[in-house]
Amino acid sequence: NAGVTQTPKFRVLKTGQSMTLLCAQDMNHEYMYWYRQDPGMGLRLIHYSVGEGTTAKGEVPDGYNVSRLKKQNFLLGLESAAPSQTSVYFCASWGTSSNEQFFGPGTRLTVL
Amino acid sequence: AQSVTQPDIHITVSEGASLELRCNYSYGATPYLFWYVQSPGQGLQLLLKYFSGDTLVQGIKGFEAEFKRSQSSFNLRKPSVHWSDAAEYFCAVGPVSQFYFGTGTSLTVIP
Repeated sequence: NAGVTQTPKFRVLKTGQSMTLLCAQDMNHEYMYWYRQDPGMGLRLIHYSVGEGTTAKGEVPDGYNVSRLKKQNFLLGLESAAPSQTSVYFCASWGTSSNEQFFGPGTRLTVL
Repeated sequence: AQSVTQPDIHITVSEGASLELRCNYSYGATPYLFWYVQSPGQGLQLLLKYFSGDTLVQGIKGFEAEFKRSQSSFNLRKPSVHWSDAAEYFCAVGPVSQFYFGTGTSLTVIP
């Protein structure tokens, strides 16, 4: 039982490049989330999903797209990276039986 | 709209002293409430949570928090701080579909 995993752990992009962050969970959770964490800002919700095939915008969705084609995976895409998207990205899933979020280890993204 | 306020950006306490970290929220109903701790370069660890029942909840590492509906607060407490408690602490609130996090309180523990 790996919990929530994120790929990659680190990434450096140039402005304008695209990339996809992968989040996977093996707990059969319906809800999944993508957050970004910036110094002094706490975690801010980018997008979330309440189940396979559904996604919704969170607090800071601009510049990001997501997809939930399989229940266990939640992908975060950056179509044209900008320096303002330099951040640490955390994925999470919600356990209905335990009433808590399970977080991945994070992805540190730098956009030059 | 939902919001979470952690009024104290940084707190310094002596080892062995008591600790209280404040969290105030704005939400229409009783939300899920959480406290997390994060060490530098690490992920988030759940300290405790509240969603119903007894308003005083116990968590890991000797932490507790009290939900006060009338004050829209969920303050975190510890009676005796250890040097290993130095970290960043985050309060989070919300319904399951959309959690909001506070901006965090950085805790320094001096010997």
